[in-house]
Amino acid sequence: DAKTTQPTSMDCAEGRAANLPCNHSTISGNEYVYWYRQIHSQGPQYIIHGLKNNETNEMASLIITEDRKSSTLILPHATLRDTAVYYCIVRVQVYGGSQGNLIFGKGTKLSVKP
Amino acid sequence: DAGVIQSPRHEVTEMGQEVTLRCKPISGHDYLFWYRQTMMRGLELLIYFNNNVPIDDSGMPEDRFSAKMPNASFSTLKIQPSEPRDSAVYFCASSLRLAGFTDTQYFGPGTRLTVL
Repeated sequence: DAKTTQPTSMDCAEGRAANLPCNHSTISGNEYVYWYRQIHSQGPQYIIHGLKNNETNEMASLIITEDRKSSTLILPHATLRDTAVYYCIVRVQVYGGSQGNLIFGKGTKLSVKP
Repeated sequence: DAGVIQSPRHEVTEMGQEVTLRCKPISGHDYLFWYRQTMMRGLELLIYFNNNVPIDDSGMPEDRFSAKMPNASFSTLKIQPSEPRDSAVYFCASSLRLAGFTDTQYFGPGTRLTVL
């Protein structure tokens, strides 16, 4: 079972910031927060990940609360092409031969409207 | 970079037939994953390989499903015999272990399988 809780859907106006929340109250100390998105009829796409510090890349920013029980993905200037299902995933980042699996929940369907 | 390549993109077959899905991971990646996506169950991990060796196949639904990775640049997922409930989109993904840690997964475009 997914270890995260996300709203089922959200709307955002084009050009505005999209703020997608995620709750992960049972997160462990060695678990990272990952965000992926899936645009209709495409494979999931990696966006960003973090452990406890806020992170930013060319796609988005990730804000993780100090207690790490929740996080927010921020798309600073949403476009119509950002319409997708966004998945928040908690995952152990392992050293060595084993791989922490990606367990996808239901995600948040973000609709960016003109 | 060509990304993860999957073929075919669409497959329609009849119940009882053998189906083979193919995947070419990103060059240099040492992990390969097979996922299945349905409306009812969402995205599920079926099996993954590390350096061509199957590591975890606990997600494979039953013996009708098998996966192989004969070399670093090719993997197959086979269903024999196929059933209508196998209808889904099958994704392949690959990743590269960096500095001892596993990195993000890059997904292919998927194969949409319809079993009549």
